[in-house]
Amino acid sequence: DTAVSQTPKYLVTQMGNDKSIKCEQNLGHDTMYWYKQDSKKFLKIMFSYNNKELIINETVPNRFSPKSPDKAHLNLHINSLELGDSAVYFCASTRTSTSGVETQYFGPGTRLLVL
Amino acid sequence: AQSVTQLGSHVSVSEGALVLLRCNYSSSVPPYLFWYVQYPNQGLQLLLKYTSAATLVKGINGFEAEFKKSETSFHLTKPSAHMSDAAEYFCAVSTDTNAGKSTFGDGTTLTVKP
Repeated sequence: DTAVSQTPKYLVTQMGNDKSIKCEQNLGHDTMYWYKQDSKKFLKIMFSYNNKELIINETVPNRFSPKSPDKAHLNLHINSLELGDSAVYFCASTRTSTSGVETQYFGPGTRLLVL
Repeated sequence: AQSVTQLGSHVSVSEGALVLLRCNYSSSVPPYLFWYVQYPNQGLQLLLKYTSAATLVKGINGFEAEFKKSETSFHLTKPSAHMSDAAEYFCAVSTDTNAGKSTFGDGTTLTVKP
């Protein structure tokens, strides 16, 4: 069974369109994340939700809007897509830490190409 | 403040040879340190993490890393490379128990030659 799943796996779209990426985890975790990995493989945190509450919101254009309908889901909606949004977007999840730092489990990624 | 530097964006070894991937960190407080592996077209997978329990950390797939405070290093090693080890490796540092506050290195591509 897939622990962290993302849909779609590939997304090719035109500039200016609006698109959504979905993430689901079946690990019972209560913290979820979105990362962006660029063409040079540089990985950067975008957002993090804990129990549906936004706890990390890095400097990301407000065209990106995360939504967490429940603890198991964290979706990413992108408005007015730009060429520079082309990247691989990874979802991840962890349990809330009670001591130390918890292990992050990553999804397989969504490869977004904006033409 | 925290940062991590991976020395060498590409490392090539022969099958059976020692693997050494270098990572140096900077943090103002005792850090948590991680090594992740990313296979082509897949997400990151945790290899191992340092959480101050022991300086020598053993991970999956025969990898281990040693935390050296005096050198601010957390290098990843494996005694004998296997073809299946070819992948991208990321070192990450966090000064917070929230793993999402980690800073990732630029990655090292490991190539294993037959």
